[in-house]
Amino acid sequence: GQNIDQPTEMTATEGAIVQINCTYQTSGFNGLFWYQQHAGEAPTFLSYNVLDGLEEKGRFSSFLSRSKGYSYLLLKELQMKDSASYLCAVRDRSNSGYALNFGKGTSLLVTP
Amino acid sequence: GAVVSQHPSRVICKSGTSVKIECRSLDFQATTMFWYRQFPKQSLMLMATSNEGSKATYEQGVEKDKFLINHASLTLSTLTVTSAHPEDSSFYICSARAASGRSQETQYFGPGTRLLVL
Repeated sequence: GQNIDQPTEMTATEGAIVQINCTYQTSGFNGLFWYQQHAGEAPTFLSYNVLDGLEEKGRFSSFLSRSKGYSYLLLKELQMKDSASYLCAVRDRSNSGYALNFGKGTSLLVTP
Repeated sequence: GAVVSQHPSRVICKSGTSVKIECRSLDFQATTMFWYRQFPKQSLMLMATSNEGSKATYEQGVEKDKFLINHASLTLSTLTVTSAHPEDSSFYICSARAASGRSQETQYFGPGTRLLVL
C-alpha cells in the first residue's frame, strides 16, 4: 500500500507564488503526477515526474525527490482561475495496469 | 493532446435500475482503462482496471457483480452499475493510457459522469 499526503487547503494572493507539497510512500514507484480539478469537472493533467529534479512548464513547475518521497507543485503569477483542487498522484508498479493512486487533494483559493 | 470522452455526462435513475456509462478514447488506442469514483470533497478512488479483451481487475471492496466492466475494443470501455441504490450516487470518472508513444506515460481523464440514484 501507500500513503499520499498533501495539505487540505491553501490560500494565496493573485500574482503571488504558491508551493503545494506532497509526500508519499510506495512499494513500486513509477512516476508522480499533478492534476488540477475544478469543482464538478474531471482532473486535467499538469505535470509528470519520474526522475529527480525540477520540471518546468510555463507558470507551473513540479519537483521530485525519490529518496525523500517528496514532490511539490509550484504555481507562479497566480491568477484567479487557478483556484481549484490540486491532486498529487503516484503510479505504482504493484497496481494492476500501473494505476494511479491519488492524494486527497489540496484546495487552493486565490484571493484578489 | 489525447482526448477521452464519457457518456452520459449526467444521469438520474430510480433505485433498482441499471445504468451504463461509456468511456471512449477518441484519438488514441488505449490498452488500459481505469474507472474511478469520487464522492463530494474527496479524492478519486480507483474502482477497477480494465485491459482490452480481458477481465477487469477490481480493487478491494468493489463488487465486481455490481459494477460490470467491459473493455471490448482499444477505444471503448463500459461501466454498468447494476441495481443502483442511492449510496451509488457519485461522480464516476474513467481514464485511459495510450498503447504506445509519449502518451503512454500519462493517464488522460474523461469529463466524468454524475450519477444520482433516487
